[in-house]
Amino acid sequence: GAVVSQHPSRVICKSGTSVKIECRSLDFQATTMFWYRQFPKQSLMLMATSNEGSKATYEQGVEKDKFLINHASLTLSTLTVTSAHPEDSSFYICSASRAGVNSPLHFGNGTRLTVT
Amino acid sequence: EDKVVQSPLSLVVHEGDTVTLNCSYEVTNFRSLLWYKQEKKAPTFLFMLTSSGIEKKSGRLSSILDKKELSSILNITATQTGDSAIYLCAPVGDKLIFGTGTRLQVFP
Repeated sequence: GAVVSQHPSRVICKSGTSVKIECRSLDFQATTMFWYRQFPKQSLMLMATSNEGSKATYEQGVEKDKFLINHASLTLSTLTVTSAHPEDSSFYICSASRAGVNSPLHFGNGTRLTVT
Repeated sequence: EDKVVQSPLSLVVHEGDTVTLNCSYEVTNFRSLLWYKQEKKAPTFLFMLTSSGIEKKSGRLSSILDKKELSSILNITATQTGDSAIYLCAPVGDKLIFGTGTRLQVFP
């Protein structure tokens, strides 16, 4: 069964509004979670690494004030797209791994965001 | 800068064919390499490779890592239409990044 749950699976919002996406590890504690974005016919692009209890590490070119990441517990990380614009429309996927550096990542089912 | 290159970008074959997908990487503090299959939604895990030269096998799929050449291959034998997907490799170093993927299309 799924070990990482992502919610919502699909969201449509108007320009200027904010959208929160949740990522939960269901049966394990994840000190680190990763957020990716995927545009059509492209690969997953790492946006940020979410660390429990500390600030997220953002990849170059990703605006930290626009994509707010909160990792308040060992099983939950949230990504908030603030003041969304149509160009933010994309597929957002979170992932987490069980403790240990050599554990495979498990992915959530992704969130399809459409900004109108 | 970490990078991952997958080849070919796209592959079209007929059922029953055997395919080999390539992944080469340069990452800081390499730990392992992951292969994923992505159909319509999130990627599904296929293999994790940590040691050079040891083949991992799951049904018709197999994969091997070459740390000296900084590369890995994914083989699929006797392909089926259900194998049509994007195959992603992801080396794990200080962070986990994905290659562009290989889009495999298997026709009957």
